Amino acid sequence: KQEVTQIPAALSVPEGENLVLNCSFTDSAIYNLQWFRQDPGKGLTSLLLIQSSQREQTSGRLNASLDKSSGRSTLYIAASQPGDSATYLCAVVNDYKLSFGAGTTVTVRA
Amino acid sequence: EAGVAQSPRYKIIEKRQSVAFWCNPISGHATLYWYQQILGQGPKLLIQFQNNGVVDDSQLPKDRFSAERLKGVDSTLKIQPAKLEDSAVYLCASSPGQGLVYTDTQYFGPGTRLTVL
Repeated sequence: KQEVTQIPAALSVPEGENLVLNCSFTDSAIYNLQWFRQDPGKGLTSLLLIQSSQREQTSGRLNASLDKSSGRSTLYIAASQPGDSATYLCAVVNDYKLSFGAGTTVTVRA
Repeated sequence: EAGVAQSPRYKIIEKRQSVAFWCNPISGHATLYWYQQILGQGPKLLIQFQNNGVVDDSQLPKDRFSAERLKGVDSTLKIQPAKLEDSAVYLCASSPGQGLVYTDTQYFGPGTRLTVL
């Protein structure tokens, strides 16, 4: 059974600092890995999707890397802003199922 | 393009009562998902529909939970009777393809927050 872990559970940084969010998974036989953002009272928004054959994916200030062999992914958010405050979840796909981590709640202080 | 709609947004009930949630996916999306997200955890898939057929309901507690998707459009998730441990946010998502999660992007609704007292 796939287990997805995100550490730390919460993170607080001053505005302008770069954010580094970690995700680890136990079964490396994945199709892809996705990073989502969840705002309070709202659903999940897909940020980045990395196919299993890719090493990284970039969108604006966001960059996600994937190391399948070690079962790790990292989401980097450059020059954080208060609007980046949210919970970030990673999810992996294998056996046609999406398995989520519990998320890292980020607070960016102005 | 309108997003995934869910109602109600909040519901408070007492244990052993019944409750139903409604979801209207993005127009034209073939696949619909229901997830349960308990506080402090990631979402867990309860059931996946492709059009109006069930693709995966392996994690649905069938003794108390039921779901249907009539006419392959909107869907209802029901809990009867509710237990304290059912307190969670119930998320509905839809995707345009045929449920091949390794290629499809899922679009999530805002969720229904259920509190069971």
